[in-house]
Amino acid sequence: DIQMTQSPSSLSASVGDRVTITCRASQGIRNDLGWYQQKPGKAPKRLIYAAFSLQSGVPLRFSGSGSGTEFTLTISSLQPEDFATYYCLQHNSFPRTFGQGTKVEIK
Amino acid sequence: EVQLVESGGGLIQPGGSLRLSCAASGFSVSYNYMSWVRQAPGKGLEWVSVINSGGGTYYADSVKGRFAISRDNSKNTVYLQMDSLRAGDTAVYYCARDTFDHSGFYGMDIWGQGTTVTVSS
Repeated sequence: DIQMTQSPSSLSASVGDRVTITCRASQGIRNDLGWYQQKPGKAPKRLIYAAFSLQSGVPLRFSGSGSGTEFTLTISSLQPEDFATYYCLQHNSFPRTFGQGTKVEIK
Repeated sequence: EVQLVESGGGLIQPGGSLRLSCAASGFSVSYNYMSWVRQAPGKGLEWVSVINSGGGTYYADSVKGRFAISRDNSKNTVYLQMDSLRAGDTAVYYCARDTFDHSGFYGMDIWGQGTTVTVSS
């Protein structure tokens, strides 16, 4: 099974900050990686798929990069509605595996 | 509108059984891969199972032999039969569409709102 290691587990940031979250795969997964945002009591929402493809309707301040084993989600200018938990997901093979999550909190 | 609606959750004693349903609208489950994902209270997301467009199934090791995924094309609904339930199965269960095309997979794009399963005596 492919293991996904996500970091950091949490971070504190201010509105307007640039935020970066990283995921590392235990083996190469080409660019088969997605990023999801989850707010309390809600289902996850896909932001990015195939490492850098932006889901329709998602603001351009979100971007993804990487390939192989190292991937990054960047929020260029954090907005109040972006405070949430973020997960990476490898969609290269089954079983699907998620990162442990990154909680983005208000500083 | 493309959407998924889960139902069937509840409180069940350890060792009991429960069947979750996921009704789809706006697309056909028979042409898609459909996954179940769960989230224990205060924890992260855990993938549970998938049924593919050909009817093939795959399970996480944690539920293999206890859970069974299936679908009814006439009802456009996917099911998760959960047997021999344990306290560790307590979670919100989401169904999701797992997208693909001839080039590969693209992950889960549509998610239901979730249904809560509590295993407790």
